[in-house]
Amino acid sequence: DVKVTQSSRYLVKRTGEKVFLECVQDMDHENMFWYRQDPGLGLRLIYFSYDVKMKEKGDIPEGYSVSREKKERFSLILESASTNQTSMYLCASSPRVRRGVPDTQYFGPGTRLTVL
Amino acid sequence: TQLLEQSPQFLSIQEGENLTVYCNSSSVFSSLQWYRQEPGEGPVLLVTVVTGGEVKKLKRLTFQFGDARKDSSLHITAAQPGDTGLYLCAGDQTGTASKLTFGTGTRLQVTL
Repeated sequence: DVKVTQSSRYLVKRTGEKVFLECVQDMDHENMFWYRQDPGLGLRLIYFSYDVKMKEKGDIPEGYSVSREKKERFSLILESASTNQTSMYLCASSPRVRRGVPDTQYFGPGTRLTVL
Repeated sequence: TQLLEQSPQFLSIQEGENLTVYCNSSSVFSSLQWYRQEPGEGPVLLVTVVTGGEVKKLKRLTFQFGDARKDSSLHITAAQPGDTGLYLCAGDQTGTASKLTFGTGTRLQVTL
């Protein structure tokens, strides 16, 4: 079974703090993703990575950065947390597409971040 | 701008009823997936459709991809409490098959 784990289920931080969210997958997947989930907006892609040290901006990258130093680990960084970054953050991984058809994205359980 | 709009946003029904959830866009998608998310968990893939007009069945769930590949529907027959959850459609617009655009979500509650 594919397992995607996230470092925290719940996190409370103060405005201006630097926040690290960690994601680890155990299936040797090439692709990893960070989304935020807000009611009525579905999932919005923040950043994704298709290889170690490679990253691409998603739809809402402002205020976020990422790091992928090892294949199994993808970190999301909030350089200076703000209240509008209060949200559910979901990490996902998937294997590299080989036939032009999307494979399954496997999701972690999410981290609910509250910024006060 | 949200590329994939789902309707309805909320649905509360009784066990045994039928329902349909819609996923609509003005853009063409190379393929489309449906996920279900239960409380406290991440989304889990239900199905992938890739051909316009394609219909796939998963027990009591029927998925259809529109002929023009701009929309999709999910029909549940005889809903059960175990179907409760957030249903999300996700489309591949870029054709890269690695980056998905998720829909706005439909929250379904099935009561006894």
